[in-house]
Amino acid sequence: EAQVTQNPRYLITVTGKKLTVTCSQNMNHEYMSWYRQDPGLGLRQIYYSMNVEVTDKGDVPEGYKVSRKEKRNFPLILESPSPNQTSLYFCASSYSGNTEAFFGQGTRLTVV
Amino acid sequence: EDQVTQSPEALRLQEGESSSLNCSYTVSGLRGLFWYRQDPGKGPEFLFTLYSAGEEKEKERLKATLTKKESFLHITAPKPEDSATYLCAVCGAGNMLTFGGGTRLMVKP
Repeated sequence: EAQVTQNPRYLITVTGKKLTVTCSQNMNHEYMSWYRQDPGLGLRQIYYSMNVEVTDKGDVPEGYKVSRKEKRNFPLILESPSPNQTSLYFCASSYSGNTEAFFGQGTRLTVV
Repeated sequence: EDQVTQSPEALRLQEGESSSLNCSYTVSGLRGLFWYRQDPGKGPEFLFTLYSAGEEKEKERLKATLTKKESFLHITAPKPEDSATYLCAVCGAGNMLTFGGGTRLMVKP
């Protein structure tokens, strides 16, 4: 089954404690991206990657890091999380930036 | 900077009452306009991609159209199961995806 898998689904952490949200796709897609979704602000792109070892900043990259060492994986790293990073996060993959994107189930992160 | 504005923010319809959702956009070099459906607590689900003005696509009760400044999602004879948030997004020359705020649709039986 074609899918994008994110883990964990839910996470509560404390300010400053480094964390990683994993994302994996099984469709051999070139393009992967991370979004955060906040009430009243909609979905905003954090980072995207057009291919292995190629990553670019989206609209809201501050406080986040990503890496793309393998085609199927695109982890999101918060090195020093802060409460304003409390949000619902989605990973997505597609053949390219302008084709149908498949989204993961979401990760609800709370930073206290 | 690419921008997407969706209206209305929320829409209540009776079952069978057709209507349209609007997506206005400004983008440098449109590479694609997308419509997604999102149910509560779930990731967006792809509906349509439109690439050039004048293009139309249909799927069951939904029809998406595109002009140079806006896109419409027409819903014909909606059913309660069509209740969801509908998201519009554009991909511009920078290869980034920019989403609108969404329209929350509620269809009453």
